[in-house]
Amino acid sequence: DAGVTQSPTHLIKTRGQQVTLRCSPKSGHDTVSWYQQALGQGPQFIFQYYEEEERQRGNFPDRFSGHQFPNYSSELNVNALLLGDSALYLCASSPKASRTDTQYFGPGTRLTVL
Amino acid sequence: GNSVTQMEGPVTLSEEAFLTINCTYTATGYPSLFWYVQYPGEGLQLLLKATKADDKGSNKGFEATYRKETTSFHLEKGSVQVSDSAVYFCALTPGSARQLTFGSGTQLTVLP
Repeated sequence: DAGVTQSPTHLIKTRGQQVTLRCSPKSGHDTVSWYQQALGQGPQFIFQYYEEEERQRGNFPDRFSGHQFPNYSSELNVNALLLGDSALYLCASSPKASRTDTQYFGPGTRLTVL
Repeated sequence: GNSVTQMEGPVTLSEEAFLTINCTYTATGYPSLFWYVQYPGEGLQLLLKATKADDKGSNKGFEATYRKETTSFHLEKGSVQVSDSAVYFCALTPGSARQLTFGSGTQLTVLP
């Protein structure tokens, strides 16, 4: 049973560029959440998707946007990159049914903005 | 708002020592509480969870009890191993929402 997968593993961009990160949820899960983890910090919630719509959003600017596809996979897009966007971006999946269901995390994408 | 406060690290212990990592929370409603572990270069793995007051979560020798009266969820292990060296995160999901709110993490190093 494949767990949550993310691509790419690492990415280097320059300020002002745009980036797209990808996530495939665990088999049987239809909800995908994205988190940003700065170095030495806990993850911060960006947004959550299910039924191909953004359902919840954390305190992140509109430069951060996402999409969910019919197969439940998801993309995170960040426009006009800033140095402060350098972080580990984590995707987590879960069943939609209950708030107590565990969120399973992927290995993350390490984004470096120069 | 919702928040999680964790014991500051880093924590360094000798093998077979007793471990406690403190975690307290602020939340509206009745949150579910979680401990996640992050090994070097990896994503987060769920260690244990508790969904209501007085529940005890346990896994791999680790335990934590949901204490509503003290708004705490302290992580304990009776005898740590070198392989337990990692960063530990306390987290909650509040009320009906399912977004996780994390603490800042506690780095644990266990020496042989």
